[in-house]
Amino acid sequence: DTAVSQTPKYLVTQMGNDKSIKCEQNLGHDTMYWYKQDSKKFLKIMFSYNNKELIINETVPNRFSPKSPDKAHLNLHINSLELGDSAVYFCASSQGQTQETQYFGPGTRLLVL
Amino acid sequence: SQKIEQNSEALNIQEGKTATLTCNYTNYSPAYLQWYRQDPGRGPVFLLLIRENEKEKRKERLKVTFDTTLKQSLFHITASQPADSATYLCSRGGDGSGNTGKLIFGQGTTLQVKP
Repeated sequence: DTAVSQTPKYLVTQMGNDKSIKCEQNLGHDTMYWYKQDSKKFLKIMFSYNNKELIINETVPNRFSPKSPDKAHLNLHINSLELGDSAVYFCASSQGQTQETQYFGPGTRLLVL
Repeated sequence: SQKIEQNSEALNIQEGKTATLTCNYTNYSPAYLQWYRQDPGRGPVFLLLIRENEKEKRKERLKVTFDTTLKQSLFHITASQPADSATYLCSRGGDGSGNTGKLIFGQGTTLQVKP
């Protein structure tokens, strides 16, 4: 069974479009995260939710909006996609709020043309 | 601001040797450091966590150290195997005063173990 799953795995879209990425974890964790990994491989946290409550909101454009319908799911919606949004987006989860021992999903490779 | 610096150059070693990867941090010591492994096209996988008050931690062939004087963590893989070839990410967590803060990742060091 996949612990942290993301859909879609690949996403190719045109500039200006709106797209969503979905994430689900079956580990029973309280906290979920979205990370962006750019072409230089830096992994940067974007958002973190604990029990559906937003606890980390990094400086990302407000075109990015996370949504957590329940503690097992954390989705990411991106409006008006730009070329610079092209990256790999990872979802992760962990128990508690300490950010220790995170379990990552397989990533969603987003390419904006 | 807090940073994590890892050698961006790939590390090439011969099978059976010990691989040593370096992670340097800036400013105050984090509450803990974590090491993750990332294979191409996949998400990072947690390996080890070491806290500020721990000098060393081991797990099978892996060993991590935390030196608050040098502001450095070393990650060792003994008896390395070609299957250990991957990118290894170091991250710092906590702000040193008990708060959780946010995880900051280094760029990662790619290890290539040759048979």
